Amino acid sequence: AQSVTQLDSQVPVFEEAPVELRCNYSSSVSVYLFWYVQYPNQGLQLLLKYLSGSTLVESINGFEAEFNKSQTSFHLRKPSVHISDTAEYFCAVSDPRTGGYQKVTFGIGTKLQVIP
Amino acid sequence: DAGVIQSPRHEVTEMGQEVTLRCKPISGHNSLFWYRQTMMRGLELLIYFNNNVPIDDSGMPEDRFSAKMPNASFSTLKIQPSEPRDSAVYFCASRSDRAYNEQFFGPGTRLTVL
Repeated sequence: AQSVTQLDSQVPVFEEAPVELRCNYSSSVSVYLFWYVQYPNQGLQLLLKYLSGSTLVESINGFEAEFNKSQTSFHLRKPSVHISDTAEYFCAVSDPRTGGYQKVTFGIGTKLQVIP
Repeated sequence: DAGVIQSPRHEVTEMGQEVTLRCKPISGHNSLFWYRQTMMRGLELLIYFNNNVPIDDSGMPEDRFSAKMPNASFSTLKIQPSEPRDSAVYFCASRSDRAYNEQFFGPGTRLTVL
């Protein structure tokens, strides 16, 4: 069975400061890893994903995440946050072995609050 | 494409009433998911359809919940009878098996059962 732990339920950070949102996963096999973002009153949107290859993946709006197999982590970082980054962020994992049915397990979410 | 469409966006009902939530997936997507989101439990997968067939309904909480997908462009999630503990935001998501790593979420239906 796979699981995801997001250690922080809320992260307040000042505008233009760096931020790291932590995610650890548990799986006995190789995994696919995702970060989704949910803006207020909206559905989740894919922010970035790791499937294979380079362990550092980036999004178009300046976020990046690094897959660390030894630490079973996939932390999300941004060097300088903007007010518009205020949202809830979900880490997710799926097992690529399951073929067509890839059940995605989501973490509990981390609310990022950017303070002006 | 309009994205995943859900209706209604908000539903307020009384305990014991039947509630039907609707979803139109993105055209061409052949996988559909129903999720429930609450503060206490986060995002939970209720049921997964592939090519209109239910593949995994292990997340459906109890017999009061049922879901159907009569065709590739429509799905419903029904709660009968509803209870206050069913209050949550219900999301529908769809996915193409050709790009099976990304789910596209609808805006959700906020259900309040009084």
